[in-house]
Amino acid sequence: AQTVTQSQPEMSVQEAETVTLSCTYDTSESDYYLFWYKQPPSRQMILVIRQEAYKQQNATENRFSVNFQKAAKSFSLKISDSQLGDAAMYFCAVLRWSSNSGYALNFGKGTSLLVTP
Amino acid sequence: SQTIHQWPATLVQPVGSPLSLECTVEGTSNPNLYWYRQAAGRGLQLLFYSVGIGQISSEVPQNLSASRPQDRQFILSSKKLLLSDSGFYLCAWSVGGAATDTQYFGPGTRLTVL
Repeated sequence: AQTVTQSQPEMSVQEAETVTLSCTYDTSESDYYLFWYKQPPSRQMILVIRQEAYKQQNATENRFSVNFQKAAKSFSLKISDSQLGDAAMYFCAVLRWSSNSGYALNFGKGTSLLVTP
Repeated sequence: SQTIHQWPATLVQPVGSPLSLECTVEGTSNPNLYWYRQAAGRGLQLLFYSVGIGQISSEVPQNLSASRPQDRQFILSSKKLLLSDSGFYLCAWSVGGAATDTQYFGPGTRLTVL
């Protein structure tokens, strides 16, 4: 079974500072895809960043970047220059195959990020 | 550009009543469609997955069912709701090869069963 672990239920960061959210996963696949989603109070899930496991280079999207360590099965999200609008629940997810449902996302339990002025 | 709609946004239903939640996608053809549920304080759990009209795969056996009557329409139903069905229901879509898909989510429906 594939599991995704987010060990930090809550994190806090000051505005303009940098914060790193941790994620580890377990998979038997050699090629797979990893995602970070953001869920603000509106509760809509918004894609933040995506990483393809076969790519060595860490993905970057503006202030968001990942530190992908394939051997360690670690996929952390770094948010630079944090803004008040970054406050949300952040979910790490791995795309997995199931004989019942085909390809679907397997989510961690989330990290609640608080941004203070 | 593609957009995804869900309705209703919120719903309060008594135990034992039926349920119908609707999801539609615009701006794309033959999408893969998904229903997820998010219980309070938890991550998302996949409920159903569809690669085309009339093609539904179920991840977890339960009293819910799904149907896909049209290419871009996905419906989640129940004949008799349970208290445990309360939660936040999210529909998602993706296109292309499912192994490489990025899934995009709708705004969700908050269901409370009393």
